[in-house]
Amino acid sequence: SQQGEEDPQALSIQEGENATMNCSYKTSINNLQWYRQNSGRGLVHLILIRSNEREKHSGRLRVTLDTSKKSSSLLITASRAADTASYFCATDSNSGYALNFGKGTSLLVTP
Amino acid sequence: GAVVSQHPSRVICKSGTSVKIECRSLDFQATTMFWYRQFPKKSLMLMATSNEGSKATYEQGVEKDKFLINHASLTLSTLTVTSAHPEDSSFYICSARSRGGSVDTQYFGPGTRLTVL
Repeated sequence: SQQGEEDPQALSIQEGENATMNCSYKTSINNLQWYRQNSGRGLVHLILIRSNEREKHSGRLRVTLDTSKKSSSLLITASRAADTASYFCATDSNSGYALNFGKGTSLLVTP
Repeated sequence: GAVVSQHPSRVICKSGTSVKIECRSLDFQATTMFWYRQFPKKSLMLMATSNEGSKATYEQGVEKDKFLINHASLTLSTLTVTSAHPEDSSFYICSARSRGGSVDTQYFGPGTRLTVL
């Protein structure tokens, strides 16, 4: 079952602006990951944040995690047209190591 | 980084035929592979977990006789969609976790687009 819920479902911004996407989940987790997917393509792993971490950076990406609110955010700074894609959060499941994916945010960055 | 391949990348078949999709870990041994399904503009839904040498564990609502999974070796898992119907048309993605690797790390294949006419 889907655990993560991203918002917004769709986001349209201009190049250079920052894009913020949020993800909420329902059960306790070991870690939360963010993935990117270009239309009709596979997933690209962006970043993983563990349950005992609050913030993590990777290049233009900044991820936060609030386990008390069961939520995470992904910030892409200085966005580029090439950032146009769908972004999914994923949490590990209790039944093993499979991931529960959120519904995703579709990001459109216009030049 | 670790690479997972899927074959074929696209397949179009007639209703009633069976389709086999391969998922290979190219440079590592995968003790566990996962199969996901994704409908257009939707998220990924876990179908089953496949452990090498044992039967796959299917998620609730996924018919094991419809979606046959075989994990015959540490580098190969196959998903066979039997007697495919148009409603089986979807994007199928596998992922693999490496033996001895971090439990957090999964490597995803590029996906297989199945269209059943």
